[in-house]
Amino acid sequence: GQNIDQPTEMTATEGAIVQINCTYQTSGFNGLFWYQQHAGEAPTFLSYNVLDGLEEKGRFSSFLSRSKGYSYLLLKELQMKDSASYLCAVLDSNYQLIWGAGTKLIIKP
Amino acid sequence: EAQVTQNPRYLITVTGKKLTVTCSQNMNHEYMSWYRQDPGLGLRQIYYSMNVEVTDKGDVPEGYKVSRKEKRNFPLILESPSPNQTSLYFCASSRGGEVGELFFGEGSRLTVL
Repeated sequence: GQNIDQPTEMTATEGAIVQINCTYQTSGFNGLFWYQQHAGEAPTFLSYNVLDGLEEKGRFSSFLSRSKGYSYLLLKELQMKDSASYLCAVLDSNYQLIWGAGTKLIIKP
Repeated sequence: EAQVTQNPRYLITVTGKKLTVTCSQNMNHEYMSWYRQDPGLGLRQIYYSMNVEVTDKGDVPEGYKVSRKEKRNFPLILESPSPNQTSLYFCASSRGGEVGELFFGEGSRLTVL
């Protein structure tokens, strides 16, 4: 079966750095996405990786290793507004998105 | 403003009473999809549509119907709702060929008593 694993919850301090990991086992691979979802709101697109390596976008970076079936989202200079759930999703060989259950990130002052 | 609009945002209904959740996007996107989100389970796809008059089942289609008669609209129909369909529903769209970069509606919280 297809599977996406992420930690359920993480806690970090304002101003610090946090890394949210995602491992996947899917039928084929056509890209990995990270979405942010604030409580009670819709998910919003953060990043897309299809080749190995690091993609940087401001305070957020996303890394992919296809051989390891592994990705991480790195958030720097954490702000209180970064408190949200972070969803990892993989596009499989049929171009269907497989979603992880999400990681709830709690930022403390 | 580019957006995906869902209605209603909140609904409480009773078992067996047919309901429709509407979804409309103004971005001329070819791909549209419906998801439900339940605690601890993440997003699960109900139905999707690659274009007008083309719809396919997702992971959890039982108890739901959809139609895609126009490019902008993709309603979700619950013919005979049951309590296990109580959930948060999201409609999403994307440009053709870019299925993963989705634009989501604000969500519709449905309670079936």
